[in-house]
Amino acid sequence: GAGVSQTPSNKVTEKGKYVELRCDPISGHTALYWYRQSLGQGPEFLIYFQGTGAADDSGLPNDRFFAVRPEGSVSTLKIQRTERGDSAVYLCASSLTPRANVLTFGAGSRLTVL
Amino acid sequence: KNQVEQSPQSLIILEGKNCTLQCNYTVSPFSNLRWYKQDTGRGPVSLTIMTFSENTKSNGRYTATLDADTKQSSLHITASQLSDSASYICVVSDEFSGGYNKLIFGAGTRLAVHP
Repeated sequence: GAGVSQTPSNKVTEKGKYVELRCDPISGHTALYWYRQSLGQGPEFLIYFQGTGAADDSGLPNDRFFAVRPEGSVSTLKIQRTERGDSAVYLCASSLTPRANVLTFGAGSRLTVL
Repeated sequence: KNQVEQSPQSLIILEGKNCTLQCNYTVSPFSNLRWYKQDTGRGPVSLTIMTFSENTKSNGRYTATLDADTKQSSLHITASQLSDSASYICVVSDEFSGGYNKLIFGAGTRLAVHP
C-alpha cells in the first residue's frame, strides 16, 4: 500500500481481555517496528522485525506482550490479560532496509483498557 | 534519565512569528539525529535527518542545527503557520547497537500557533 496501515484505529477493552493490533507495512519494506506512546510522551521502542524474525524484542515490557510477522509483511501485536497501564497509542513503522533513514509511521492504534 | 530531553514542553506563538525548539541528548555514539512532526492523532513524520558531521539542515521553513560536541540540537521554525501546530519530537538513532535504526525519542514540544 501507499502507507503504513494500522487497525483498529481505536480499541476499547476491559481489564483482563486479550487484544490484537495489526500493522500492514509499506509493500517491500523488510524492517518493521512497534512503538508505544503514552499521553504526552514520545514513542518508546517495543520490538523490531527484520523479515519474519524478531531481531530485537528488548522493549517488550513483559511476557503479556508478543508480536509476530509470519510472512514478513503484516505484523500483529498481541497483548494478553490487558491492564489499565497498557492504555496508550501503539505505533507501527516500516523501512525499506534496517538502516534506511526513512521510517514511515502509521497513524497508530489507540488502546484504552477500562 | 531520559537520553533525549526537549524544551520547552509546550509553546504558544502567534501566526507569522518564529520559534526555536531545543533538544539535548546523551546517546553516544549516534548515527543520526532527526526531528519529527506529529499532528494530533497521526504518526510522526520526518522533517530533517542529520548525521553527526552535519551542522545544519533545512526543510522549507524548518531549519535544524546540531552541535555534536555539546550534544545539542535545535529546530527553528520561520514564519509560523496555523498548520505548524503539532508536537515536534527530537529523535536520536543509535544504529551501532544492533545494526538497525534503533530510535530514541524525546517527549516532544507541543507547539500551538494562534491566529
